[in-house]
Amino acid sequence: DAGVIQSPRHEVTEMGQEVTLRCKPISGHDYLFWYRQTMMRGLELLIYFNNNVPIDDSGMPEDRFSAKMPNASFSTLKIQPSEPRDSAVYFCASSSSPGGGPGNTIYFGEGSWLTVV
Amino acid sequence: AQSVTQLDSQVPVFEEAPVELRCNYSSSVSVYLFWYVQYPNQGLQLLLKYLSGSTLVKGINGFEAEFNKSQTSFHLRKPSVHISDTAEYFCAVSGNTGGFKTIFGAGTRLFVKA
Repeated sequence: DAGVIQSPRHEVTEMGQEVTLRCKPISGHDYLFWYRQTMMRGLELLIYFNNNVPIDDSGMPEDRFSAKMPNASFSTLKIQPSEPRDSAVYFCASSSSPGGGPGNTIYFGEGSWLTVV
Repeated sequence: AQSVTQLDSQVPVFEEAPVELRCNYSSSVSVYLFWYVQYPNQGLQLLLKYLSGSTLVKGINGFEAEFNKSQTSFHLRKPSVHISDTAEYFCAVSGNTGGFKTIFGAGTRLFVKA
């Protein structure tokens, strides 16, 4: 079974440009998460969706960041305009909720490595 | 609110030696506890998790962890490490707070030396 698929794996862009990161969760999973990992701040939850609906976006740093999930098999994280401090690894992850509950394993993609110069 | 503290940012150890990576948590509700591992240039993957029942949990690659409610700890152990265990290890907690939010610790970098 395919895991969580993210694209692009690496992106280098200039400050001010728009960046779009893409994610395909594991089929059948109804939770999707976007995390950001940096040396300074560690692993931060940016936003998560349940059944394509955003549930908690309190981790989104500012209005320059937006995330969408138009259907169960696709999500995007957009940064517009990008800044050098957005340089990080962005992980998409998914999980299932048989019977509900927060004890489910989260499955991570391999990450999108973003560098803003 | 829940939080996780990993007490060591880096742990160097020689190959075939035992290792313990420490994790403490705080939560006002019943918790579920996890250890994830991140190999270089990869995403995180689950090592083991505690949901309920036996406090000693066994995971992949010979790792185990013990849930200690009185000390609010969930330390990860391996009796004999290999070079291939070099990675970053994350402790995480989630709970019945009405939301589905897993909180990760800052990570512990395990470096196994030959």
